[in-house]
Amino acid sequence: KQEVTQIPAALSVPEGENLVLNCSFTDSAIYNLQWFRQDPGKGLTSLLLIQSSQREQTSGRLNASLDKSSGRSTLYIAASQPGDSATYLCADVNQGGKLIFGQGTELSVKP
Amino acid sequence: KAGVTQTPRYLIKTRGQQVTLSCSPISGHRSVSWYQQTPGQGLQFLFEYFSETQRNKGNFPGRFSGRQFSNSRSEMNVSTLELGDSALYLCASSSTGTEFEAQYFGPGTRLLVL
Repeated sequence: KQEVTQIPAALSVPEGENLVLNCSFTDSAIYNLQWFRQDPGKGLTSLLLIQSSQREQTSGRLNASLDKSSGRSTLYIAASQPGDSATYLCADVNQGGKLIFGQGTELSVKP
Repeated sequence: KAGVTQTPRYLIKTRGQQVTLSCSPISGHRSVSWYQQTPGQGLQFLFEYFSETQRNKGNFPGRFSGRQFSNSRSEMNVSTLELGDSALYLCASSSTGTEFEAQYFGPGTRLLVL
């Protein structure tokens, strides 16, 4: 059974700090990995999609990496801001586009 | 370009009733997927439709069904509601529904079963 794990479940940091969110997956034949952000009570916002042939993707202050051999992905957030507070979810993108999600990391950035 | 829209945003039903949720994908997107989100189980895949055909299905009972129309809009139906069906139901759309594309989610429909 394919599983995705995100540790820690919650993280609190002061504003301005750089931080890394972790995602582990058991799918050795992973196609792609997608990172999302979810604000309380809201839907998911797509942040980055990393294809299996890539090692990383960048968008603004966000950088995501993918290491298939170790079954790990990381999301790096530079110079964190209070507006970055949200739950961050990673998803293993299966054949046919089916997403297998981790449980998420709830990030709180304190002013 | 408008994003994925879902209606209604909130619903309250009682056990035994049935409910229909609607999802309109981003213009030009032909794939629509549905997910259930609960505090205990997280996000779980329900099913995916492409060009009016169900291509993929998750591990949910037959009470959960869906369909897609020729304009790519999709509906999800849950019959004989149970308390455990209370959840946030999210739909996502993409152009062709392959593993090579990002998927874009709507705001969700929050269903409360009493």
